[in-house]
Amino acid sequence: DAKTTQPTSMDCAEGRAANLPCNHSTISGNEYVYWYRQIHSQGPQYIIHGLKNNETNEMASLIITEDRKSSTLILPHATLRDTAVYYCIVRAGGGSNYKLTFGKGTLLTVNP
Amino acid sequence: DAMVIQNPRYQVTQFGKPVTLSCSQTLNHNVMYWYQQKSSQAPKLLFHYYDKDFNNEADTPDNFQSRRPNTSFCFLDIRSPGLGDAAMYLCATRFDGGGREPQHFGDGTRLSIL
Repeated sequence: DAKTTQPTSMDCAEGRAANLPCNHSTISGNEYVYWYRQIHSQGPQYIIHGLKNNETNEMASLIITEDRKSSTLILPHATLRDTAVYYCIVRAGGGSNYKLTFGKGTLLTVNP
Repeated sequence: DAMVIQNPRYQVTQFGKPVTLSCSQTLNHNVMYWYQQKSSQAPKLLFHYYDKDFNNEADTPDNFQSRRPNTSFCFLDIRSPGLGDAAMYLCATRFDGGGREPQHFGDGTRLSIL
């Protein structure tokens, strides 16, 4: 699986957009970018994933660069409850060998 | 309406005393995973079941075993817990239908060793 690089921590003001970057310069053509987050004392929560097109759901938007070497997770209006560790994971899909390798992630702190 | 349920949320056991952690799911997913997460670290995969097939990670200690008696339940057995096994243990499920479906996690069991 391709390695990812994320900032250790970021701050964001409540109500503002939070933009979390992820570098995955060695990503291969069949690998997807997944984002999960983990709020303190809870299990990781799936947010969004994409291959090469930008994706949006009720939680966030995912912007993947044209060369696919980096991506940005956007929380459009961050709230205090979005304070969590955000993990960017690159993985090829499906089958019995599908598994996630978590890196250190980014601790996002949303401030009042 | 929790979908991946781990009980108990907190478990205390004695050094060397076998302990079993449980996970159940209401999603009818065919894949179930167990992760270990130590304090301030990322989750680390121990093993997973794809249907009835057990897949162990190469660096998972022999002290850790798993059972999946049916689709809904999966157990993590630690035969002789050491102090270094104190951690949060996370269960996750996934439906593999050939697509890119994500994993769904429970809220974990925090294991303490006395």
